[in-house]
Amino acid sequence: DAGVTQSPTHLIKTRGQHVTLRCSPISGHKSVSWYQQVLGQGPQFIFQYYEKEERGRGNFPDRFSARQFPNYSSELNVNALLLGDSALYLCASSLRSGLRFSGNTIYFGEGSWLTVV
Amino acid sequence: QQPVQSPQAVILREGEDAVINCSSSKALYSVHWYRQKHGEAPVFLMILLKGGEQKGHEKISASFNEKKQQSSLYLTASQLSYSGTYFCGTEIGERDGGSQGNLIFGKGTKLSVKP
Repeated sequence: DAGVTQSPTHLIKTRGQHVTLRCSPISGHKSVSWYQQVLGQGPQFIFQYYEKEERGRGNFPDRFSARQFPNYSSELNVNALLLGDSALYLCASSLRSGLRFSGNTIYFGEGSWLTVV
Repeated sequence: QQPVQSPQAVILREGEDAVINCSSSKALYSVHWYRQKHGEAPVFLMILLKGGEQKGHEKISASFNEKKQQSSLYLTASQLSYSGTYFCGTEIGERDGGSQGNLIFGKGTKLSVKP
């Protein structure tokens, strides 16, 4: 079975531009989360979607938005890019929304490396 | 809310043991451990739920003390393949009994295993 797939794997954007990152969860998983990982830090939560509804939002500006489609894939959009947005963007999928259920692990994709110049 | 991991870095010889600690100031529902190699995505190791259980995965095991809001990852007889940065991700419990549904990660512990 395919794992979490993300595209593109690497991209370079200019300050002020817009970027769209895409994610397909593991087959059967209905929850998709997005995390930002800056070099040398742990992943930081951006959004969680479950059954196409936003279930959680981290401390990120409104320039960040996301959505989940009927097939459970997801997009992360970032507008008006800043140099500080340069990071690895990780998509994670899980069966359900609540993580405390036994076996409801989140699995990360390989990530999208975004460089803003 | 970010959990604190210790140590920040550790260097081992093959066959040696290591313990990585993760401590939170908030009540926890669960603790998740991941290993990340340079330039790659984090890879899931194990999840520990409320109840103080201890889990094992080959020569890697972990414990979760919910009263102290702490978790420890134990690596025994380390192998070269264990090198990487280890992250704990904590799931915070809410007052209504629910959970936030997302993980808050520590800054990581860099483990280097030398021949």
